Formats: sequence, C-alpha cells, structure tokens
Amino acid sequence: GQNIDQPTEMTATEGAIVQINCTYQTSGFNGLFWYQQHAGEAPTFLSYNVLDGLEEKGRFSSFLSRSKGYSYLLLKELQMKDSASYLCAVGSSGGSYIPTFGRGTSLIVHP
Amino acid sequence: KAGVTQTPRYLIKTRGQQVTLSCSPISGHRSVSWYQQTPGQGLQFLFEYFSETQRNKGNFPGRFSGRQFSNSRSEMNVSTLELGDSALYLCASSRDAEETQYFGPGTRLLVL
Repeated sequence: GQNIDQPTEMTATEGAIVQINCTYQTSGFNGLFWYQQHAGEAPTFLSYNVLDGLEEKGRFSSFLSRSKGYSYLLLKELQMKDSASYLCAVGSSGGSYIPTFGRGTSLIVHP
Repeated sequence: KAGVTQTPRYLIKTRGQQVTLSCSPISGHRSVSWYQQTPGQGLQFLFEYFSETQRNKGNFPGRFSGRQFSNSRSEMNVSTLELGDSALYLCASSRDAEETQYFGPGTRLLVL
C-alpha cells in the first residue's frame, strides 16, 4: 500500500517563498507528481520527479529524495493567483501504475 | 490539442437514481482513469481503462462501473445513488501507464 502525508494548510505572503513538503511510504516507487488545483477546478500538472534532485520550472521547483521518501514543492515570488491546493501524488511500479494522491495542501497567499 | 472534456459539468439527482458520466480523453491518449473527489476524502481512485479493458480498480462498491469505447472515450455509471455519492468526479487521461495524467474539468454531482 501507499501512504502520503502533506500539511493540510499553509499561509504565505505575496512575493515570498514557500516550501510544501510531502512524505510517502510506498511499495514500488515510480515517480512523484505535483498538481495544482484551484477551488472548483480540475488539478493541473506541475511537475514529475523520478530521480533524486531538484527540477526547476520557472517560479516552481520540485525536489525528490527517494531514500528518504520525501519531496517538496518550492514556490518563489508568490502571487495571489498561487492560492490553491497542491496535491502530491506517488506512482507505483509493477504494471499497475496508478498514482495515489495525498489530501492536498491548501496554500493561502495574502497581500 | 484539445484537453480532456467531461459531460455534463453539473448534475442533480435524487437517491436511488442512476447516473452516467462521460469523458473524452486527449487525442492519442489510451488510458482513462476516474477519480472521486470530496472535501473529506480527497482524490480517490475509482478505476482505469486502457484499450477498452478495465486494468485497475479502486475500493469502491459495485454500484460504480465504467467502460471504454474503441475511440478511447469512457463512461462511468453509478447506480442506486446515495447521498454520499455527492462529489466532483474527475477523469484523467494519459498516453499509457507511467505517463503523466491530465485531468478534465470534472462533473459535479449532487445527490438529494
């Protein structure tokens, strides 16, 4: 089975940097995804990490440590529109690849 | 390239009724997965179809079923609706297993 933990809620100030952590326990790891979901909308893909290290994409970066079962999403130069839920999802290996999603971290960006 | 589309976007039903939701994946995507999202439980996997075959199934009762057509379009059906079935139902498509999933806008179902 899989177990994914991430904080329920975080707040930050516009222009600041925020790090959203995700820890996981899984039998057969095959990549970690981050999705962004605005209220009332569908999740949109942000990043995918399969190897250890940092992947940077504009203001967003995602880090993975497979040995520690740990990932984080780093958001820089926060904007009000970044207020959303951020979902961590882990893919399993073994022929039945379906990502398991965490409950999501609700990020509130205030002026 | 057009994204994943779902119809209808909103639906109101009463207990005991049944409902069918439709999903059209991104062109070229053969895998279609269905999820139920509620505030209390988060995003929960229902089932996944690939080439008209159900390949994976989550822990939902038999009232939840689905199918996939030869053009990769998929439908899910919920019979004998219960109040607890009120949720956002999301469809996601990908080219194949181990590929990134892209979500549709969802169907918001309200059961009264």
